[in-house]
Amino acid sequence: QLVLTQSPSASASLGASVKLTCTLSSGHSSYAIAWHQQQPEKGPRYLMKLNSDGSHSKGDGIPDRFSGSSSGAERYLTISSLQSEDEADYYCQTWGTGHVVFGGGTKLTVL
Amino acid sequence: EVQLVESGGGLVKPGGSLRLSCAASGFTFSSYSMNWVRQAPGKGLEWVSSISSSSSYIYYADSVKGRFTISRDNAKNSLYLQMNSLRAEDTAVYYCARVGGLGVVDYFDYWGQGTLVTVSS
Repeated sequence: QLVLTQSPSASASLGASVKLTCTLSSGHSSYAIAWHQQQPEKGPRYLMKLNSDGSHSKGDGIPDRFSGSSSGAERYLTISSLQSEDEADYYCQTWGTGHVVFGGGTKLTVL
Repeated sequence: EVQLVESGGGLVKPGGSLRLSCAASGFTFSSYSMNWVRQAPGKGLEWVSSISSSSSYIYYADSVKGRFTISRDNAKNSLYLQMNSLRAEDTAVYYCARVGGLGVVDYFDYWGQGTLVTVSS
């Protein structure tokens, strides 16, 4: 079964970096994922598509502070030079034959 | 500029029906697969349904199969979700989302702002 696992919460200081993790279920380590950001009271925003080899393609207007990487079944989103507006929920998403799966989301707090 | 604008949400009684719409602009709507995704209050994102560009392929989450129907009108640049036999657990903000890749199910590259559906007596 295709499942994405995310830590419920993360925190980091203003100006620092943070690395969020999304883990693919066993047998699905070759799958690509997408990262989405959801700021409070807003709709989600596409950040990037991230492949198993770490290559990624970002959405329109996404700053260079956002980057992605991969290792095995883990997919990472790194945000550098944290700003207050980065405080948001971050969701990973993947897809299989005829269905789409979201991770449970990580709530990022910028201290 | 790509824009997706949902409408049609509101308060409905259990067992009732509602039809959501998503008006698309800023891109060639007929070339893209589209999706509905929902988010219950205080919860995460849940995929609801996908439809291919020509409506040839349609998929549903098990939680809505047999009750919800996705459709589209490429001439009107619009996506729809007909929701029947609504339950309290269908209460959520419903988002439409465009598929960025080539598949019917793939990553979502644009989202709407959502429309709230509340199922309550």
